[in-house]
Amino acid sequence: QQQVKQSPQSLIVQKGGISIINCAYENTAFDYFPWYQQFPGKGPALLIAIRPDVSEKKEGRFTISFNKSAKQFSLHIMDSQPGDSATYFCAGRTSWGKLQFGAGTQVVVTP
Amino acid sequence: KAGVTQTPRYLIKTRGQQVTLSCSPISGHRSVSWYQQTPGQGLQFLFEYFSETQRNKGNFPGRFSGRQFSNSRSEMNVSTLELGDSALYLCASSAPGNSYEQYFGPGTRLTVT
Repeated sequence: QQQVKQSPQSLIVQKGGISIINCAYENTAFDYFPWYQQFPGKGPALLIAIRPDVSEKKEGRFTISFNKSAKQFSLHIMDSQPGDSATYFCAGRTSWGKLQFGAGTQVVVTP
Repeated sequence: KAGVTQTPRYLIKTRGQQVTLSCSPISGHRSVSWYQQTPGQGLQFLFEYFSETQRNKGNFPGRFSGRQFSNSRSEMNVSTLELGDSALYLCASSAPGNSYEQYFGPGTRLTVT
């Protein structure tokens, strides 16, 4: 049972454009929603995260929008750069150390 | 501060063998979680340790086990390897008082032939 559904599976965006990745969750026990960025051959790196009592969080070019009633959250990457080309994972945290991840979105930023 | 380190980085084993993977958390971090990453199943939680105690466990068979030492270093063991165990095994650590933020190591790439 996949408790975090992530879309799209992949997306291509031009340099300077906006990348948008969406996630929907079922488990209302999630108390923390991080986004991770993973480059080939590397482990996931924590990018930005939000708690369910906040509707939006912005860090630099990255913004999380959170809709608790719809059980959805999204990552916006503004002014996308070729260096942002990576796989992005959303996740929800339930209990001690347990993150449940979405399937991932491969983002390609073209020059 | 040094990041999470995992050894070995690559491993090739034969079906039926067993394997032990090691993880050293960020200095001062006491919680270590393990994940399996495969193209088909994505990132899946294996277990979490804190102060040498397993606090949480995912839905993996008993062939997957782990432990944590007093210095917070952790090992995971997979016995009777199957072809489907081929994966990238990741560990992540988090600091006391901030168990929400998990920092991942580079992973161990296990190939079972």
